[in-house]
Amino acid sequence: EADIYQTPRYLVIGTGKKITLECSQTMGHDKMYWYQQDPGMELHLIHYSYGVNSTEKGDLSSESTVSRIRTEHFPLTLESARPSHTSQYLCATTGWTLGNTIYFGEGSWLTVV
Amino acid sequence: QQQVKQSPQSLIVQKGGISIINCAYENTAFDYFPWYQQFPGKGPALLIAIRPDVSEKKEGRFTISFNKSAKQFSLHIMDSQPGDSATYFCAASRAGSQGNLIFGKGTKLSVKP
Repeated sequence: EADIYQTPRYLVIGTGKKITLECSQTMGHDKMYWYQQDPGMELHLIHYSYGVNSTEKGDLSSESTVSRIRTEHFPLTLESARPSHTSQYLCATTGWTLGNTIYFGEGSWLTVV
Repeated sequence: QQQVKQSPQSLIVQKGGISIINCAYENTAFDYFPWYQQFPGKGPALLIAIRPDVSEKKEGRFTISFNKSAKQFSLHIMDSQPGDSATYFCAASRAGSQGNLIFGKGTKLSVKP
């Protein structure tokens, strides 16, 4: 089991609002990821980081941004939310303590109205 | 172009039966093939994974069969139970990018009592 914490779990916000989804892990892993999953659909990698001050875009283009100032935190920000951003956002991590297997957090469900 | 194709989209199995989910891939650079199980409202949880150097891996009631020449792999769930009802995702990643998983579209499994 991985200790990955995501907040908020559920969020309903209005169009145009700025939101930040928090993700933290307590294992000191360098690699962290954000995946986006629409209901009943597959997961798509939108951002990843291999360490502090390292961020890369994933396979799916996203208007969100991420930062990695500390090893344990990998927040995702939407500057101006739109209904098209409604989705589930899943944070994941991997590292030597997990046998380099990727583990997911519980997810943050975002609804933009 | 979908890099990992998963079938069937949904599956209904009687309790005690065998559930079989199939995946096919195109990219021969893939070298890590995990299966994830996801319950509603939860993040995906790693079920079992395989690398191309073996043709089969078994963990309890779950078995992965891997056919490198056909570029296919499948998940078999023996003695399926109602508690196995969930969505199953196959995935693949390239060497050195284990967290950058490419997911299939998922299979919704229902096990009837």
